[in-house]
Amino acid sequence: NAGVMQNPRHLVRRRGQEARLRCSPMKGHSHVYWYRQLPEEGLKFMVYLQKENIIDESGMPKERFSAEFPKEGPSILRIQQVVRGDSAAYFCASSPDRSSGNTIYFGEGSWLTVV
Amino acid sequence: QKEVEQDPGPLSVPEGAIVSLNCTYSNSAFQYFMWYRQYSRKGPELLMYTYSSGNKEDGRFTAQVDKSSKYISLFIRDSQPSDSATYLCAMSARGTSYGKLTFGQGTILTVHP
Repeated sequence: NAGVMQNPRHLVRRRGQEARLRCSPMKGHSHVYWYRQLPEEGLKFMVYLQKENIIDESGMPKERFSAEFPKEGPSILRIQQVVRGDSAAYFCASSPDRSSGNTIYFGEGSWLTVV
Repeated sequence: QKEVEQDPGPLSVPEGAIVSLNCTYSNSAFQYFMWYRQYSRKGPELLMYTYSSGNKEDGRFTAQVDKSSKYISLFIRDSQPSDSATYLCAMSARGTSYGKLTFGQGTILTVHP
């Protein structure tokens, strides 16, 4: 009964490097969401994807951030040229089709530290 | 002003107490209301889901939604030390992207033996 799987759990990057975070949704789920949790702040929506499609990226920073959910394989959140302000916990969530309502299930998160 | 306001606490109660956690919101379009529990360095875990106004009970947990006051609550009866965690309220509006939730800041709860 695997839940949402995220890796790596912890990632350290130097300023200017790239960070890649991966997410495999729960079995049978076709919707993936990425959220960011900054220190002392709540979870903030970043992007909503279905297979091969970005549905809503209204929460994504305009530069350096991108996300994909390919036909095969996990969803990837990519942060280019990381800066100290990118240090945060990044959570992936998934859900089945719309019939389940607006309930989504989160993974354990990936903690990014930029030094 | 934030769309969802939640007192960050911290809140400390003795074991067995009734805990009341609350959120207020400003967006009258919110229709779906959720409570998540998050342990330290873990992902949020869905506790309760409510659509529109009313009460919902699940074991020791009761969720209440008062849309007229834009106020939601989570009550925990017979609180246990294992309930110590951060509790996040979340909500979304009809017509927004599926799964696009607006979260409160979270309330840190400690239940001491």
